[in-house]
Parts: sequence; structure tokens; C-alpha cells
Amino acid sequence: GAGVSQSPSNKVTEKGKDVELRCDPISGHTALYWYRQRLGQGLEFLIYFQGNSAPDKSGLPSDRFSAERTGESVSTLTIQRTQQEDSAVYLCASSTTGTGINNEQFFGPGTRLTVL
Amino acid sequence: RKEVEQDPGPFNVPEGATVAFNCTYSNSASQSFFWYRQDCRKEPKLLMSVYSSGNEDGRFTAQLNRASQYISLLIRDSKLSDSATYLCVVPMIKAAGNKLTFGGGTRVLVKP
Repeated sequence: GAGVSQSPSNKVTEKGKDVELRCDPISGHTALYWYRQRLGQGLEFLIYFQGNSAPDKSGLPSDRFSAERTGESVSTLTIQRTQQEDSAVYLCASSTTGTGINNEQFFGPGTRLTVL
Repeated sequence: RKEVEQDPGPFNVPEGATVAFNCTYSNSASQSFFWYRQDCRKEPKLLMSVYSSGNEDGRFTAQLNRASQYISLLIRDSKLSDSATYLCVVPMIKAAGNKLTFGGGTRVLVKP
């Protein structure tokens, strides 16, 4: 079956513009995560959604970042008034129940964002 | 102290040699751990899970030391294709979900 997909694969924008990144999780996966990875650095947790529970937004770096998820399907990550420090690869991952100790996260290919 | 720490490397390994590296974690309540592999400019993919004292899968062995709060990954008979960044992952188990905390990764370069 299809894996996690993300779009666009690459996005170049000008400083101050808003961008919207999309993630389509694996069908049936109730948990969805967004991460940021700057060049040469590790993964930085941003936000996750689990079913109808309130999302955990503790990783969002500023109020310019927001994310939404429609039911247990598509999610969008929005960055308003982009800054050059927002340049990174934004990775989305999904998993089954989200609880328990043996649920593997499957990652999408990421969106590479470049803010000029 | 960071929640999950790793030596960034790189570990330069001759082909066929054995390499091992650790990952330390701060939350003593963590029960399970994962090693993910990330190739250059690719997304991370699950390599191994570690639930009890350890796990072995072919040339890869992961061990858990709860007393000292670290997990290790050992790669035997290294192949050129083992060159990658290895990410240690510690899930924070919550009722509302399973939040993974990633280490910064250890870079391994296997050379002929």
C-alpha cells in the first residue's frame, strides 16, 4: 500500500511569505507527527495528533507555526511570515494507535523548505 | 541535560570491522527504545526496537542498560551500505499518544 506522502517535495519562498505543507498519512493510522530537521542536525519534534484528542503542540517553535488535521487523514502545517531560520526539511510521520510501545512510525519523504 | 544524547561522530569504520556507539537518555521511566537509520537526504526508517535487555537482528545488536540509562548499537562485519546516520529514539508514553524523542544521531562512515 501507499506510504506517507508529503507535498510539495521542495518549496522556495521569500522571507515574510506564508507557506503551507501537506501530509497524507498511511490509511488507518490514527497518529500523525510533524518534525523539523535542519541541515546536519537531528529531528526536532513539532506537533502530533492522535485521533480526536487535543494535539500536542509543545514543540512548535513560535506562534507563526500552526497545524491542522482533518479527522484521521490529511494534515497541513502552516508557517506564517517565514524567516530564513525556518529553512529545513519538514518531515511527517504516522503510526497506528499511537499508544503502546511497539508502534513504528513511518516517515514521509519530507518537504525541503528554503526561505530566501 | 538533553533528553536523548548521542555522539555525533563520524565513526570511520573499515569495511568488515565492528563498530558500536551509545545513546544516553534522561527519563528513567522510559520502557522501550528504537534505533532508526537515516540515509543522506532521506527520511528515517526503523532499524530495530529494544524492549528488554536487548535485541539482535543479523549483524546488528542493540543492548539496553537501564541502570546507566543508555542503549547501544553494535554493527558487526560492517558493509559499505551501513554508512548512514543512526538515530536513537526514546518514546515518551502518554495516554493521548506516543511522543518520540530523537537523539541528534550518530554518523557512521564505512570505508573500503
